[in-house]
Amino acid sequence: DARVTQTPRHKVTEMGQEVTMRCQPILGHNTVFWYRQTMMQGLELLAYFRNRAPLDDSGMPKDRFSAEMPDATLATLKIQPSEPRDSAVYFCASGPGQGGTDTQYFGPGTRLTVL
Amino acid sequence: AQRVTQPEKLLSVFKGAPVELKCNYSYSGSPELFWYVQYSRQRLQLLLRHISRESIKGFTADLNKGETSFHLKKPFAQEEDSAMYYCALMGYNTDKLIFGTGTRLQVFP
Repeated sequence: DARVTQTPRHKVTEMGQEVTMRCQPILGHNTVFWYRQTMMQGLELLAYFRNRAPLDDSGMPKDRFSAEMPDATLATLKIQPSEPRDSAVYFCASGPGQGGTDTQYFGPGTRLTVL
Repeated sequence: AQRVTQPEKLLSVFKGAPVELKCNYSYSGSPELFWYVQYSRQRLQLLLRHISRESIKGFTADLNKGETSFHLKKPFAQEEDSAMYYCALMGYNTDKLIFGTGTRLQVFP
């Protein structure tokens, strides 16, 4: 049963520190998405990739967030420097990239707490 | 602007009661609509999509283009339906999902 994996599952850090979250999409999926989940805003799309190329990162604060796909099996989301308002659950999802009716398969999330 | 609105943060019902989770959308075109569910300590997963016109776990949702709604319904709620439910929209020729803020469904015994 193929699944999206994310590491770490939990991260507690201090304000100003760099945070790196990693995602391994399902093998063969060519679209990867990063979402942030908060109580107030719900699920927000931060960025997404197709065939490792960034297609849309309009939801991401550019000054401190960056998203990359070094290869087809790894996506990273970095926050530098981190701030308390970044505390949230960050989800990665992947999809087969077959068009507008794709199911997105979600990872378990990384719960980030910035003190 | 593309937007999905779920007006209820929390919906509480007793087992066996009917359930309707509301979802309204704003989109200038014909979107694809989805319902995703997140059970306690589990990952978010697709429940159903409007193009499939299917019933999953007793849930159905009908797209009403006149009212721009995609409400999720179940005639008899079960305790195991307790979860967080997200309505989502995907626009034409895009992979992006726009999510609502979610509704927590609590089904009491």
